Amino acid sequence: DVQLVESGGALGQPGGSLRLSCAASGFTFSSYSMHWVRQAPGKGLVWVSRINSDGSAADYADSAKGRFTISRDNAKNTLYLQVNSLRAEDTAVYFCAREGVVGRHYMDVWGKGTTVTVSS
Amino acid sequence: SYVLTQAPSVSVAPGKTASVTCGGNNIGTKSVHWYQQKPGQAPVLVMYYDSDRPSGIPERFSGSKSGNTATLTISRVEAGDEADYYCQVWDSSSEFVFGTGTKVTVL
Repeated sequence: DVQLVESGGALGQPGGSLRLSCAASGFTFSSYSMHWVRQAPGKGLVWVSRINSDGSAADYADSAKGRFTISRDNAKNTLYLQVNSLRAEDTAVYFCAREGVVGRHYMDVWGKGTTVTVSS
Repeated sequence: SYVLTQAPSVSVAPGKTASVTCGGNNIGTKSVHWYQQKPGQAPVLVMYYDSDRPSGIPERFSGSKSGNTATLTISRVEAGDEADYYCQVWDSSSEFVFGTGTKVTVL
């Protein structure tokens, strides 16, 4: 089965850092672009970042530029999101998602999400 | 930045038809994708490229686009269709954009 499993969500201190992980299985991870999408409590989906299949290029939402870093390890079939200088507004469920066939610009497989709570 | 606007809620009786709309400037020039999200669950892709259904999605789900509005139509609505629905496009300046979301309530 095609599967994405996120981990690393935690209670973080304002100003602190967290690294989220997303383990992929059931498909050729190195062939797909991957995304992070977040959802604050009771709010809608917000795209955070995308990385291409070989990790050579990444894009970020304006709200993520400067504090978020997306990366991947194709040997480990794992996607990462480093979040620095945590803010209360980063509190959300973070989903990883697979982009459809190259250049298709939609997300066809999603993980169940990992929860980040930022509070002192 | 690019904005996609959806009505906050739609109510529909079982067996009837629900229409979920998504408005955006020049949306006619963009491909629209739709996701269903049930409470506490991950989103599920239910429509891509305006009107293509992924495998496993019932034929009751259909998509269309006209002018500045894209529409997800759910025919013969069932209780299990109750969920939040989000449209999404790729915009060359704003990258990936989700709509504000519509809660579909089955009466």
